[in-house]
Amino acid sequence: KAGVTQTPRYLIKTRGQQVTLSCSPISGHRSVSWYQQTPGQGLQFLFEYFSETQRNKGNFPGRFSGRQFSNSRSEMNVSTLELGDSALYLCASRAGTYSPGELFFGEGSRLTVL
Amino acid sequence: GIQVEQSPPDLILQEGANSTLRCNFSDSVNNLQWFHQNPWGQLINLFYIPSGTKQNGRLSATTVATERYSLLYISSSQTTDSGVYFCAVERRENTGGFKTIFGAGTRLFVKA
Repeated sequence: KAGVTQTPRYLIKTRGQQVTLSCSPISGHRSVSWYQQTPGQGLQFLFEYFSETQRNKGNFPGRFSGRQFSNSRSEMNVSTLELGDSALYLCASRAGTYSPGELFFGEGSRLTVL
Repeated sequence: GIQVEQSPPDLILQEGANSTLRCNFSDSVNNLQWFHQNPWGQLINLFYIPSGTKQNGRLSATTVATERYSLLYISSSQTTDSGVYFCAVERRENTGGFKTIFGAGTRLFVKA
């Protein structure tokens, strides 16, 4: 069974641009969540999607948004990029439903903002 | 919100030594996982352990949910165990979803 797949793996953007990251969950998993990892703030929860609905959101500005498609694939978008958005963005999936279940992570998308 | 504290922050071991990593959390949780982050950044699942004890080879983990802590034991450490170990907890929110909170991690270096 394929794992969680994130694309692109690496990207470089300049301030003011926007970026879209993609995440394909493990087959059959309906919940996808996103995280940001920076040296200063560590690993922080961005948002969680289940059946195309955002169920939960972390404390990030509105420039950070996401969505989930009917096939459970998810995208996150960051608009008006700032230098501080440089980070490793991780996506995780799990089966979902009522019980939390185990989270499985992708390899991440490393974003550099110049 | 829930606070997660991991200790020690840094640990240097000689190959073959044993170690215990600790994760304290400030409130009741529905889920607790331990991860090892590899040099490329991927989080590798070690244990899904909201309560009880589990073992997997040289690694074992215990979570005492009533006392709000979890321990990760590494025995006979190897250089390949080096990296950062994270504890992550989750609690169900009113929305029905889960918010994940990570500790700051324990950075382990195993010397040959």
